[in-house]
Amino acid sequence: DAGVIQSPRHEVTEMGQEVTLRCKPISGHNSLFWYRQTMMRGLELLIYFNNNVPIDDSGMPEDRFSAKMPNASFSTLKIQPSEPRDSAVYFCASSLQSEFYGYTFGSGTRLTVV
Amino acid sequence: KQEVTQIPAALSVPEGENLVLNCSFTDSAIYNLQWFRQDPGKGLTSLLLIQSSQREQTSGRLNASLDKSSGRSTLYIAASQPGDSATYLCAVSDMTSYGKLTFGQGTILTVHP
Repeated sequence: DAGVIQSPRHEVTEMGQEVTLRCKPISGHNSLFWYRQTMMRGLELLIYFNNNVPIDDSGMPEDRFSAKMPNASFSTLKIQPSEPRDSAVYFCASSLQSEFYGYTFGSGTRLTVV
Repeated sequence: KQEVTQIPAALSVPEGENLVLNCSFTDSAIYNLQWFRQDPGKGLTSLLLIQSSQREQTSGRLNASLDKSSGRSTLYIAASQPGDSATYLCAVSDMTSYGKLTFGQGTILTVHP
């Protein structure tokens, strides 16, 4: 298995532009998580899905952020419009909901909004 | 609400020392506890996974223990090496929240030659 695949690895965009981050979880995993990491706040959970259904999006900073999981093999995190304070590393992780399985993280997308 | 705390926040040791990193959590209703390593500018690498029914797990020079009833876990690193320098993160998976993963703030470890 190729693991959790995120794209792009790096994204530089101008303030006000729309940004879409993509994630392909490990096949068979039924939970998917989006995290944001900054020096100031560490790892923050933005939203998580179970069986493609959003369970808790209370971590989403504001209405500019949205996430979808149209099927078990794909998820997107969209920021529209983007702002400089959105600059961070965004991680996607997936798991099989069970005590026997841990979480596998993607390599992250480093977003810079100028 | 689950809260995870890691102590110490930073640790600097000479090469060869054995060391212990601590993690505590407030809600014992967990699926499992996972220790991760993160190198600067990189992603998270899973080191050890301890299921809620287990007491410890070992991988090479690493040993992690879990005391679910007291809400504590330790990561023991034997014979530390400069290559062990990284941030170590503890995370618990909540039974009551579809396995939601809650992270501690991490311990920054520096092993100097």
